[in-house]
Amino acid sequence: NAGVTQTPKFQVLKTGQSMTLQCAQDMNHNSMYWYRQDPGMGLRLIYYSASEGTTDKGEVPNGYNVSRLNKREFSLRLESAAPSQTSVYFCASSEERGGPYNEQFFGPGTRLTVL
Amino acid sequence: RKEVEQDPGPFNVPEGATVAFNCTYSNSASQSFFWYRQDCRKEPKLLMSVYSSGNEDGRFTAQLNRASQYISLLIRDSKLSDSATYLCVVNNYGGSQGNLIFGKGTKLSVKP
Repeated sequence: NAGVTQTPKFQVLKTGQSMTLQCAQDMNHNSMYWYRQDPGMGLRLIYYSASEGTTDKGEVPNGYNVSRLNKREFSLRLESAAPSQTSVYFCASSEERGGPYNEQFFGPGTRLTVL
Repeated sequence: RKEVEQDPGPFNVPEGATVAFNCTYSNSASQSFFWYRQDCRKEPKLLMSVYSSGNEDGRFTAQLNRASQYISLLIRDSKLSDSATYLCVVNNYGGSQGNLIFGKGTKLSVKP
């Protein structure tokens, strides 16, 4: 099992460009998440999908959109990239959202720089 | 008060030392608690869940004090390979939020 995979690993964008970050999991998990991690800020939830067909905003959703394409795949789109979106983006999945013992498994991350 | 607070460190300790990390959380309705480990430029990985009675996994011991809203992680006989950032994580399941809230992490550096 590959676990959670993300593409691309690195990306440099110019302000105003758009891009989609891809995420896929092969663990048959119901719930998937997108986080960003900035120095001194910790991990912050952007969007999540509790189950296939549903998506909800997290703590910092502005400037992003998501699509839960199917049970395996959850993509994050930046429509018009801004320098403030320079960050490391992690996708994660878990069997269920919430619950006391639901471990989240993380992908390797995408390092995005917006110039 | 921030939702999950940790001492950022860094903690610089020699091999074989015992080191303890503390974490406080603000939501008294929080139901479950975790410690994740994150190596430099890598993704977070679950180190251990924290059960109400406290739990131990080899050299690692986690404790929970609900009355004080306090979680701790004790690492005994530190190894070089323990060098990493340790993230305190709280799941607010049962309240309006069922998502994980991450602390900013405590950096540990174990020296020879």
